[in-house]
Amino acid sequence: GENVEQHPSTLSVQEGDSAVIKCTYSDSASNYFPWYKQELGKGPQLIIDIRSNVGEKKDQRIAVTLNKTAKHFSLHITETQPEDSAVYFCAASKDSSYKLIFGSGTRLLVRP
Amino acid sequence: GAGVSQSPSNKVTEKGKDVELRCDPISGHTALYWYRQSLGQGLEFLIYFQGNSAPDKSGLPSDRFSAERTGGSVSTLTIQRTQQEDSAVYLCASSFQGLSTEAFFGQGTRLTVV
Repeated sequence: GENVEQHPSTLSVQEGDSAVIKCTYSDSASNYFPWYKQELGKGPQLIIDIRSNVGEKKDQRIAVTLNKTAKHFSLHITETQPEDSAVYFCAASKDSSYKLIFGSGTRLLVRP
Repeated sequence: GAGVSQSPSNKVTEKGKDVELRCDPISGHTALYWYRQSLGQGLEFLIYFQGNSAPDKSGLPSDRFSAERTGGSVSTLTIQRTQQEDSAVYLCASSFQGLSTEAFFGQGTRLTVV
């Protein structure tokens, strides 16, 4: 079945620096790749997603890139702020199964 | 409602007892998902509903776990004869037509089996 690997497991950056989180997936039929942010005691919240027909998508300080050939996708956060501190999860799914397979998560700490 | 609502928010139960976890999805959302999140871990898929039917229940870890959905709305996840390894946060999500659109998560139910 589909497997999603996520790195790093923890990431500490200085406020204002950029943060990059990377994921790889195993099922070449996967075509939907969302990123979720989970704050302590809350459910995951979608922050950005990308489909397999595009290579990059941006939303203000957040961007996601997708390399279908290599089967990996990345989350880029620029000008990080303390409120960006949270656990970030990548996920992958395909239309034929409808279930999101999640990575193991990255704990991001932005130091003021 | 305004979002996905789960109840209870916390549940402590004794080993061997049965528990029921409830999920109220966003009104009009046809798809509903249950996930399990163990401490410090990722999200493990349990079951997916489209309307009242469950086309994918491949993630249920054992026959002690079951789920149902009635009226295309509320869903209940039941764990029978709970074990300590069942302790986790159980998350419910809903979306309009399936994962081609955004899945909204509830706050989760933290289950502790003692």
